[in-house]
Amino acid sequence: AQKVTQTQTSISVVEKTTVTMDCVYETRDSSYFLFWYKQTASGEIVFLIRQDSYKKENATVGHYSLNFQKPKSSIGLIITATQIEDSAVYFCAMREGDTNAYKVIFGKGTHLHVLP
Amino acid sequence: DAGVTQTPRHEVAEKGQTIILKCEPVSGHNDLFWYRQTKIQGLELLSYFRSKSLMEDGGAFKDRFKAEMLNSSFSTLKIQPTEPKDSAVYLCASSLDGSQNTLYFGAGTRLSVL
Repeated sequence: AQKVTQTQTSISVVEKTTVTMDCVYETRDSSYFLFWYKQTASGEIVFLIRQDSYKKENATVGHYSLNFQKPKSSIGLIITATQIEDSAVYFCAMREGDTNAYKVIFGKGTHLHVLP
Repeated sequence: DAGVTQTPRHEVAEKGQTIILKCEPVSGHNDLFWYRQTKIQGLELLSYFRSKSLMEDGGAFKDRFKAEMLNSSFSTLKIQPTEPKDSAVYLCASSLDGSQNTLYFGAGTRLSVL
């Protein structure tokens, strides 16, 4: 069965440091896509970054990067040089690719607090 | 381009009432999702449509929750009858066809059931 688990409920870091948020997933598909989304205090949810399961290189977008460890079914989100405005809830998500039903399953989220 | 539009933004219902939430996906998107968000459970998938066909009906949500996609640009989520435990934020999201495509979320409807 498809499952996404984020064990860190809340993380606090000091501004300008680097933070890593963990996510592990379960799937039987050989092809799948992993996503990270950010939900701001206003409730808006936006896409941040994606990792394709068949790619060995870790995805990077701006100051977001991923640590993809396929044998461990793990996809960590790394934010470098954190800013106050990075304070938000971060969701990990998976979308399987082998079947025709591309439903998207989310983890429960990690609340990041960036302190001055 | 307009994003995903959800109406109403807030809804207050008495226990036992029927409520209908509405969603307009991004133009050209074939996939549409309904999620329920609570602090305890996070984002729970209620329904998933592909090109107007229901692909996932959310299992545990079947009995009182019904989503429909009347045309490619409009979907509704009916909750009948409502219960206080249904109080949550209901989110609609859409994407292009294909598992590599990201979701675009609406602003959500905050439902309070008294």
